[in-house]
Amino acid sequence: GENVEQHPSTLSVQEGDSAVIKCTYSDSASNYFPWYKQELGKRPQLIIDIRSNVGEKKDQRIAVTLNKTAKHFSLHITETQPEDSAVYFCAASSQGGKLIFGQGTELSVKP
Amino acid sequence: EADIYQTPRYLVIGTGKKITLECSQTMGHDKMYWYQQDPGMELHLIHYSYGVNSTEKGDLSSESTVSRIRTEHFPLTLESARPSHTSQYLCASSEEGQGRKLFFGSGTQLSVL
Repeated sequence: GENVEQHPSTLSVQEGDSAVIKCTYSDSASNYFPWYKQELGKRPQLIIDIRSNVGEKKDQRIAVTLNKTAKHFSLHITETQPEDSAVYFCAASSQGGKLIFGQGTELSVKP
Repeated sequence: EADIYQTPRYLVIGTGKKITLECSQTMGHDKMYWYQQDPGMELHLIHYSYGVNSTEKGDLSSESTVSRIRTEHFPLTLESARPSHTSQYLCASSEEGQGRKLFFGSGTQLSVL
């Protein structure tokens, strides 16, 4: 089955800096790659997703890139703000559509 | 408002008790899932269902069981709770098809003493 590896597990940046989180997946048949943000004590919320027919997608300060050949995808957050502090999860959709999540990255944005 | 609801929000019980965690969605979704998550840690898929009378085990072995008698309802049951079952349990749903957004409930934080 699908296996998703996510790095780093923790990331601390200064407000205004950029943050990058990387994930690799194992199943070459996976074709959907969402990113979820989970604030402390709250449910995970989708922030951006990308499908395998696209190499990059951007939504304001958030962007995701996908390299199908290398089987990795990354989340880029520019001009970070304290409210970006949360745990971020990448995921990959394997056969049948079930989502397999990465281990999570705890992002801290220091004012 | 269409949403996915989980009850109870918090549950503290003694070892050996039977419990059922409730999950209902008013999204009209066919697919439903149960994930187990320790605070701030990885989400592990323990059960999923693609429709009524369809249930499958996820990638993480779990002693819990699920049922799907109605489209909107996907309860999870532990016949005999143990301290190792202490965790947060998140229910989720999505539309039919691959590559669909997952909507999560608020979760049930279970503590087994």
